[in-house]
Amino acid sequence: AQTVTQSQPEMSVQEAETVTLSCTYDTSESDYYLFWYKQPPSRQMILVIRQEAYKQQNATENRFSVNFQKAAKSFSLKISDSQLGDAAMYFCAEISNFGNEKLTFGTGTRLTIIP
Amino acid sequence: DAGVTQSPTHLIKTRGQQVTLRCSPKSGHDTVSWYQQALGQGPQFIFQYYEEEERQRGNFPDRFSGHQFPNYSSELNVNALLLGDSALYLCASSLDGGSPLHFGNGTRLTVT
Repeated sequence: AQTVTQSQPEMSVQEAETVTLSCTYDTSESDYYLFWYKQPPSRQMILVIRQEAYKQQNATENRFSVNFQKAAKSFSLKISDSQLGDAAMYFCAEISNFGNEKLTFGTGTRLTIIP
Repeated sequence: DAGVTQSPTHLIKTRGQQVTLRCSPKSGHDTVSWYQQALGQGPQFIFQYYEEEERQRGNFPDRFSGHQFPNYSSELNVNALLLGDSALYLCASSLDGGSPLHFGNGTRLTVT
């Protein structure tokens, strides 16, 4: 069974600074995807970034980037130049079984941006 | 381009009652998945529908059932509601075999 662990229930960062959210996962599959989703108070899960396990290069999306350490099964999210709109719950998630898109989520990290 | 829409937004039910939640997938998507998100937790996979059939199911009792219609919209039914069924229910859609999932804003179910 796949598991995803987020060990930081809450994090805070000063506006314009950089913050890193941690995630570890466990899967026996060799091919999988990893995701970071953002859930603001509107409740909608919004995809922030995704990483294909077979790609060694870390994914980046504007101010968001990941540090994917496959051997360590670690997948952290770095947010640069933090903005007030980044405040939300952030969930790490994994898909191992392609074709049926069953996401396994972590318990989330609540990110607060300090003005 | 309409995204995933869910109805109703909020719902209050009494223990033992039955409830139906509805989801319309994003335009062009044919697969619908349902997730339960308890307060302070990450979403948990309930089941997935494709071509009007349940393709995969998570660790949820038979009280949770679903349906997918020819237009790809879907319903989640929960019978004999328990207090522990209180949660945010998220619907997500995708094109078969693809990622990422697109989520709706969820239905907040409160069981009293």
